[in-house]
Parts: sequence; structure tokens; C-alpha cells
Amino acid sequence: GAVVSQHPSRVICKSGTSVKIECRSLDFQATTMFWYRQFPKKSLMLMATSNEGSKATYEQGVEKDKFLINHASLTLSTLTVTSAHPEDSSFYICSVQTALNTEAFFGQGTRLTVV
Amino acid sequence: QQQVKQSPQSLIVQKGGISIINCAYENTAFDYFPWYQQFPGKGPALLIAIRPDVSEKKEGRFTISFNKSAKQFSLHIMDSQPGDSATYFCAAANAGGTSYGKLTFGQGTILTVHP
Repeated sequence: GAVVSQHPSRVICKSGTSVKIECRSLDFQATTMFWYRQFPKKSLMLMATSNEGSKATYEQGVEKDKFLINHASLTLSTLTVTSAHPEDSSFYICSVQTALNTEAFFGQGTRLTVV
Repeated sequence: QQQVKQSPQSLIVQKGGISIINCAYENTAFDYFPWYQQFPGKGPALLIAIRPDVSEKKEGRFTISFNKSAKQFSLHIMDSQPGDSATYFCAAANAGGTSYGKLTFGQGTILTVHP
């Protein structure tokens, strides 16, 4: 399957600061990437769909000004959590849809802890 | 309408036994049904997926059974091994041939396989 790399794998930040998470597709070009959020022992919830060269599409209830998504190239999408607060602490996971549009592959996730 | 309901929440199986996890969906527009395996602190990994034009798909020890009229699908893990101990998620997408990555996930099943 496709190789998707997320960085960093873990990050701790102070309340009020911003954190950037990168998602890279290492072995193919991805026109569409997805960002999910997962709370401990819970399911994955889709936050937004990221399309290369255009604005992201956010799911209902997700604050687009808080979770900034940039998809500037066919291999990189970034999620910036702005003015992070403890309730933003979560596991953030990106996924990449293959060029053949047949399945999606996930990154290893980023554990964000806001203190 | 977008929900995918998964059961059981947790499952304990002896080595060599069969693990069965069930999911039900409401949205008849869903046309792609994957199963993912997730280990603690890692992103989900695609196990097997099915489309509604078939009622069963088998890959190694993993089998998906699909009942379109009942809007249900299930994962069977044959000859379960301790290494299969993980959280399993069913998911669904309204792919329409172009978007297999925008997934709605079930609540997850924690599988424990005892040696």
C-alpha cells in the first residue's frame, strides 16, 4: 500500500500556542487528503477534506479558523492547530486517497498534548 | 443517516477461534465498506474492503460478509492469533467511484486473543 508519513508523531505545546502537523505522501501524488481526529478509546471523526491547490472542506462543527489546513503540493498537506487549548489534545491522523481512487491509506498519527 | 453502528464494543477470543465483528449502516448511498486494524498509538491500517456488488470477500484469514438488503456487514477473523489483538473499525463511504477516502467510522471493537 501507499506510504503516508506524519510529523511529528508526538508534540506537547503550551496553551495558546499554535502547532503544525505535516502529512506527506511518500510514493505517489495525492490530490486529496483527509484529516481525522480520534479521542482516547474512541472512533475516528473526519475533520476536513484537503484538496491540492484549493480550500479545504470542513465537516460540520469543525472550526476552520482553529484548524487551518493547507495542501500546497501533491505530496504535502498541513494541519495547524491555532491557539491550542487543553481540549484540543487528541490524536490527529491524516489519510491519503490513491490516484486510482480505490482506497485510502493512513499516516501513523500525531499525539497532541496541550498543557 | 451517516452513522455506522459497530458491535460488540469488546471481544475476547481464544487462540485459534473465530472473531466476528458486526456493523450496520443507514445511508443507502454508501458503496464502499472497508475494515481497518489499529494498534495503540498507530494509525489505522486497511485490512480488507468490499463493494456492494458482492456478498462476500475473503483475503487470507479475513472475510467480509455483506448483506445489502439488511444494510449490514461483518468481519470474520479465522484462526485468531494473539497478534490479531487490536482495535478494529468498520467504515463506509459514499465513494461514487471517486472518493474512497471520506470515511464514516464505526465505534470500534477491541479484540483480545488469548494464547
